[in-house]
Amino acid sequence: GDSVTQMEGPVTLSEEAFLTINCTYTATGYPSLFWYVQYPGEGLQLLLKATKADDKGSNKGFEATYRKETTSFHLEKGSVQVSDSAVYFCALDNYGQNFVFGPGTRLSVLP
Amino acid sequence: GAVVSQHPSWVICKSGTSVKIECRSLDFQATTMFWYRQFPKQSLMLMATSNEGSKATYEQGVEKDKFLINHASLTLSTLTVTSAHPEDSSFYICSAKSVGTTQETQYFGPGTRLLVL
Repeated sequence: GDSVTQMEGPVTLSEEAFLTINCTYTATGYPSLFWYVQYPGEGLQLLLKATKADDKGSNKGFEATYRKETTSFHLEKGSVQVSDSAVYFCALDNYGQNFVFGPGTRLSVLP
Repeated sequence: GAVVSQHPSWVICKSGTSVKIECRSLDFQATTMFWYRQFPKQSLMLMATSNEGSKATYEQGVEKDKFLINHASLTLSTLTVTSAHPEDSSFYICSAKSVGTTQETQYFGPGTRLLVL
């Protein structure tokens, strides 16, 4: 079945550091790919998405590019802030069926 | 944008009681809603898929008699945890998919935290 793998956390960075959270997937067909963010005690918020190969999703300084050849959708941000501390989930949606989530990566940004 | 609400946002109950959680799509119609469960520091686990006007489809290992799901209208789905026990304590999140979409983003509710004493 479909699956999503993320780098294990926690990831701890200093403010203004560069962030990469790796995400790879296994799926039949051509799924849509998403990054969701969950702040402490809250639900999931859509951060960005990409629906086809080579699409780049971007939002709030975060970017991720849909790489079909490597089945990856790595999340990047050039300069993280303390307020970016959260859990980040990579997910796929295969033709409108249920979402498949990765295990989540906890990010802590220190001032 | 599309908004999904959940009520209550948190609930504490005694063991053996039943708890109902509501999931509403506020500004769109949802033929399909999904219920997830999230344990501390873990990912979301899909419990069931709820289609308006029909029985929910439960994932393997989820007790349908324990977690009753009703999707009575295009804007409301409910999850009832029957005879709750401490091991049912968790964060329950719903999501909704709007009518007429194919490969479409699901919109997530803010979650309901359940604590069973």
